[in-house]
Amino acid sequence: DAMVIQNPRYQVTQFGKPVTLSCSQTLNHNVMYWYQQKSSQAPKLLFHYYDKDFNNEADTPDNFQSRRPNTSFCFLDIRSPGLGDAAMYLCATRSEYSYEQYFGPGTRLTVT
Amino acid sequence: AQTVTQSQPEMSVQEAETVTLSCTYDTSESNYYLFWYKQPPSRQMILVIRQEAYKQQNATENRFSVNFQKAAKSFSLKISDSQLGDTAMYFCAFMKYNNNDMRFGAGTRLTVKP
Repeated sequence: DAMVIQNPRYQVTQFGKPVTLSCSQTLNHNVMYWYQQKSSQAPKLLFHYYDKDFNNEADTPDNFQSRRPNTSFCFLDIRSPGLGDAAMYLCATRSEYSYEQYFGPGTRLTVT
Repeated sequence: AQTVTQSQPEMSVQEAETVTLSCTYDTSESNYYLFWYKQPPSRQMILVIRQEAYKQQNATENRFSVNFQKAAKSFSLKISDSQLGDTAMYFCAFMKYNNNDMRFGAGTRLTVKP
């Protein structure tokens, strides 16, 4: 089945130690999103790619970076994680011909 | 900026009964999309139902239907014949037409009781 895959599902990192979360998709969608979702809160958009065009939300901290080497993969890099960055990180994709977003299962990040 | 408000943080309903979740939004746009997403415990978010603002007819998907009131900027979700598997967090979301950003409300945690 076509799907959005996120690895790892659970990630523990130390305060200040860089971490990379990955997302892959078999849907061949050209739009990919990264959201941060803290406990019992709404997902907050960090940035998105439209093909290779990167769009950063104005309030996304510089500590968060992203890479999209090809259509299928997208990475979220947190350069120096703080305790406040502990959250669920959701990847989503969308076709340019539709407005439905397809979500991955998320990666739960713990910062110790 | 668009904002989405869900005024009911938590709701519960008995199995087989009907429940309505509320959502209001604020926008100056005339063309946009509205969504209800479901996020079950420890599972991924899935789309429940979608409404295009230019359509007057309310969207329906099996047991799920919406009451879209464009002038009032209201978009409520009705779940009929509630099932235990409907227990989840429900998010209302807004997306401008021809735009990539989606804005979510804070969510309503729905519990279906046996």
